[in-house]
Amino acid sequence: RKEVEQDPGPFNVPEGATVAFNCTYSNSASQSFFWYRQDCRKEPKLLMSVYSSGNEDGRFTAQLNRASQYISLLIRDSKLSDSATYLCVVNGDRIGGFKTIFGAGTRLFVKA
Amino acid sequence: GAVVSQHPSRVICKSGTSVKIECRSLDFQATTMFWYRQFPKQSLMLMATSNEGSKATYEQGVEKDKFLINHASLTLSTLTVTSAHPEDSSFYICSARGGEGQPQHFGDGTRLSIL
Repeated sequence: RKEVEQDPGPFNVPEGATVAFNCTYSNSASQSFFWYRQDCRKEPKLLMSVYSSGNEDGRFTAQLNRASQYISLLIRDSKLSDSATYLCVVNGDRIGGFKTIFGAGTRLFVKA
Repeated sequence: GAVVSQHPSRVICKSGTSVKIECRSLDFQATTMFWYRQFPKQSLMLMATSNEGSKATYEQGVEKDKFLINHASLTLSTLTVTSAHPEDSSFYICSARGGEGQPQHFGDGTRLSIL
């Protein structure tokens, strides 16, 4: 089992759609969680941190379920500019040296 | 927000040349910096992790004598690709992290092309 697992997609959605990405992680002792986006031929950019209480930033909502070791990202009212690869990222615990594990990414295409 | 500067953004050079890439955290102190490589349409691949003042930890399969990493201060890490060959052509990206539970912040990346 991969340490961080994401559906690779691609997700093809029309503008205005709501799309949800899921991610699971294997280390129950993981400490912190993030979503990044990466555009083609660019570096990853931090989108938002993920907390058990949920985190909302405009059209983006991230949620963490520690019991299920599951992270989600919801994008509402999709825009063309949301087209990118979304990376689920998990920081491990002290025993693991706080190692950062990146998911392979989920590709999103938003079409007019 | 946290800013990481990576330089140069693009390098084209002949086979056998050594190439140095700099990574600076501009507005925070980075206890740990990371170096990645990414081939087209593939995932990020971690090459090495470096902590200020100590030797870098290299991932399996990454030659430490070929990819020299120096993390001289809390705001600067360098990667030197020694005697680069065409197969070293790739997108190299650095990142910096301010603390153990913090997110990584990435530089703009360096596109390296070896002819």
